[in-house]
Amino acid sequence: DVVMTQSPLSLPVSLGQSASISCRSSQSLVYSDGKTYLNWFQQRPGQSPRRLIYQVSNRDSGVPDRFSGSGSGTDFTLKIDRVEAEDVGIYYCMQGTHWPLTFGGGTKVEI
Amino acid sequence: EVQLLESGGGLVQPGGSLRLSCAASGFTFSNYAMSWVRQAPGKGLEWVSAISGSADSTYYADSVKGRFTISRDNSKNTLFLHMNSLRAEDTAVYYCAKPKVTGSYSVDVWGQGTTVTVSS
Repeated sequence: DVVMTQSPLSLPVSLGQSASISCRSSQSLVYSDGKTYLNWFQQRPGQSPRRLIYQVSNRDSGVPDRFSGSGSGTDFTLKIDRVEAEDVGIYYCMQGTHWPLTFGGGTKVEI
Repeated sequence: EVQLLESGGGLVQPGGSLRLSCAASGFTFSNYAMSWVRQAPGKGLEWVSAISGSADSTYYADSVKGRFTISRDNSKNTLFLHMNSLRAEDTAVYYCAKPKVTGSYSVDVWGQGTTVTVSS
């Protein structure tokens, strides 16, 4: 199975500052169609996960442009600019290139 | 609006069985693969199982293979997870999820989850 390693585990940030989360995969996430199936999810306290970013850098509808994804191959980053109180929660990366789908361990963002 | 509503969770003894359901609405159910993902208390996310739109293909995590069976009733827009030989480590919130596009097995839209507790 592809192992997804996130860092840091916990990320204290100040309101208005930026935050950056790293996600590394044990294998390349480039699929045979040339696309890279790396998603980012946000899970606010007491809620279900919500997809923020798909295929490395594409924001889902309704996701603020403060969220951005980047990376390639095995190394990926989620950046949150101008952190707001509503951004508190746990962020997960997930790969959909190889079976089974696997998730990172999560990064807890707290103010 | 897409809605996924899980039900069927509860308290069950080790070795017992349970059937989870996920009622779907707001999209053409039979056109989409569906999945189950679980989250143990205070832990991360674990993909459990997936099924194609026509139900002719199914996939399982090694941790549940041989004990869990995924199925669907496209006439009733409902996804199921039949869980047998339950263990304490199966205790989790179970979410059903769907991709945003057809032809994918991604888990992009999630229900609110149903809680399964395996304990004597």
